[in-house]
Amino acid sequence: QSVLTQPPSASGTPGQRVTISCSGSSSNIGSNYVYWYQQLPGTAPKLLIYKNNQRPSGVPDRFSGSKSGTSASLAISGLRSEDEADYYCATWDDSLSGPVFGGGTKLTVL
Amino acid sequence: EVQLVESGGGLVQPGGSLRLSCAASGFTVNSNYMSWVRQAPGKGLEWVSVIYSGGSTYYADSVKGRFTISRHNSENTLYLQMDSLRAEDTAVYYCAGGPYYYESGGYGVSFDYWGQGTLVTVSS
Repeated sequence: QSVLTQPPSASGTPGQRVTISCSGSSSNIGSNYVYWYQQLPGTAPKLLIYKNNQRPSGVPDRFSGSKSGTSASLAISGLRSEDEADYYCATWDDSLSGPVFGGGTKLTVL
Repeated sequence: EVQLVESGGGLVQPGGSLRLSCAASGFTVNSNYMSWVRQAPGKGLEWVSVIYSGGSTYYADSVKGRFTISRHNSENTLYLQMDSLRAEDTAVYYCAGGPYYYESGGYGVSFDYWGQGTLVTVSS
């Protein structure tokens, strides 16, 4: 069981907007930055969002992150077939003194 | 261009040892927060170990006492020595690195760069 809770799956049709949630606690999301990683099939994870809502260079503005209290969300607008991937949230956990990941959400583009 | 290239994975019997390497280019291992993250078949990501730029090391409880993280500064390479391997250690092991900071929003660890992964299979 992961420290951070994500829905195991999400889906949408091309052009739609989908959101993926990540729930934690006061010792992790509630007091630290949240990151999101995208893992395309058969590849290594890639940083998608850092410091809650910042996009690295090259990441389309269709991807956005937000955080409120002990939860965070990743939103993908204008869904494309190439967005079909696993998405992981991550943050620092004060109690564990280390980074923790969510269990991952498999996004299917119908 | 930043590249992290892992090597050293393979098939090993329970109780055996393996040493993973992660060679970096375009990125300085000893200036960043360098971690090993693993992914069991069909499962999610699990943080394994870290070496800070200052040299401090930390481990997940699941590998503490069995795994050792280290680095060779002049070779710009990260290592993971894995001893007393168990079936549950079977996974793709990724090296990942980036900045570590404490700011107004709390602690942050950003895995900006990842290697391609190396598969470790523990089986008799």
